[in-house]
Amino acid sequence: KNEVEQSPQNLTAQEGEFITINCSYSVGISALHWLQQHPGGGIVSLFMLSSGKKKHGRLIATINIQEKHSSLHITASHPRDSAVYICAGETSGSRLTFGEGTQLTVNP
Amino acid sequence: NAGVTQTPKFQVLKTGQSMTLQCAQDMNHNSMYWYRQDPGMGLRLIYYSASEGTTDKGEVPNGYNVSRLNKREFSLRLESAAPSQTSVYFCASRYRQGNSPLHFGNGTRLTVT
Repeated sequence: KNEVEQSPQNLTAQEGEFITINCSYSVGISALHWLQQHPGGGIVSLFMLSSGKKKHGRLIATINIQEKHSSLHITASHPRDSAVYICAGETSGSRLTFGEGTQLTVNP
Repeated sequence: NAGVTQTPKFQVLKTGQSMTLQCAQDMNHNSMYWYRQDPGMGLRLIYYSASEGTTDKGEVPNGYNVSRLNKREFSLRLESAAPSQTSVYFCASRYRQGNSPLHFGNGTRLTVT
């Protein structure tokens, strides 16, 4: 079992839908990272959080430390949100363990 | 700012050939990383440099070497390429080793035949 598991692996939505991607981890972490990998391959950091919730535009990330679970929400989804979303847990030793990613496709 | 610049973007090698992947960042970051990304697997750490002058092995260091040339540059060398090293390689950097956001290069797609 991977230390960081994401679900679903693949997600298809219609434009405008509310989207949730889940990330569960089995080890204690000091921070949880959410990344976006564009169809061209580039990776950008979306959020880094250790508690509570963060919001940037239409993206919201939440984390529940006790339940070892984080979610990434996209409101009013758009085709340009189509990408692979990756979560990564950071341990106290600063080691990052990455999930396999969630492929999101938003259709117009 | 250019961010993290990684070269080359594509490379094809024959088994046994050597090559160096170059990475440079202009954000005054202390920590730099090399990852590989393979289908069906998460990013895996090859080597990292927590600060200028230090390098350490990650999860999958066999077959690779690194050099932290200065604060800006961190190169990855394949001395004798093997087909198992066919992958997409990403360089990343961040301000400090713990709890700071990562910045990635655009990746190098390497094929070893």
